[in-house]
Amino acid sequence: GENVEQHPSTLSVQEGDSAVIKCTYSDSASNYFPWYKQELGKRPQLIIDIRSNVGEKKDQRIAVTLNKTAKHFSLHITETQPEDSAVYFCAAHKYSSASKIIFGSGTRLSIRP
Amino acid sequence: KAGVTQTPRYLIKTRGQQVTLSCSPISGHRSVSWYQQTPGQGLQFLFEYFSETQRNKGNFPGRFSGRQFSNSRSEMNVSTLELGDSALYLCASSLEEVALDEQFFGPGTRLTVL
Repeated sequence: GENVEQHPSTLSVQEGDSAVIKCTYSDSASNYFPWYKQELGKRPQLIIDIRSNVGEKKDQRIAVTLNKTAKHFSLHITETQPEDSAVYFCAAHKYSSASKIIFGSGTRLSIRP
Repeated sequence: KAGVTQTPRYLIKTRGQQVTLSCSPISGHRSVSWYQQTPGQGLQFLFEYFSETQRNKGNFPGRFSGRQFSNSRSEMNVSTLELGDSALYLCASSLEEVALDEQFFGPGTRLTVL
């Protein structure tokens, strides 16, 4: 069945350094790839998304890249700050009349001061 | 615009009981999805409703069911509760009119089964 693998499960980086989280998906028909951030005790919130017709998207310190051939996509956070500490979830979605979104297992990112 | 709301926020039940959780989507959103979140399993998709029809279902037993009303509000029901059903249950709504869209999550209902 469809599957999304996310790595690493935990990540600790020095404040100011970059963080990269990677996801691979199994269904080649997936065409929408959102990333959600969940701070402790709060609900997940969309931080960036990319559609299959685009290879890269950037929003200030956050960027996402997509490699459709290899079926993987990555989240890049530059100049990390303490408020970036959270759990990040990637997801893959195939739009159809019976669409289903599959989430990765999450990455707990900690920013060391 | 008010966000997604869920009631109740916390619930304690015992094994064998049943429970009903409620979700009110953002006004105008017709798609409502439900997820189970546990520390070890991340976000597991339960089902999605669109215009009162279940459009997709995850890999959960038949004890988990849901429905959506004409005003897009949704309920999910879990019967014959098991200890392993203890989790945070999140619902999310989206416009889903033409293309894939951002999902807006509610605060969740934390269910504890004793």
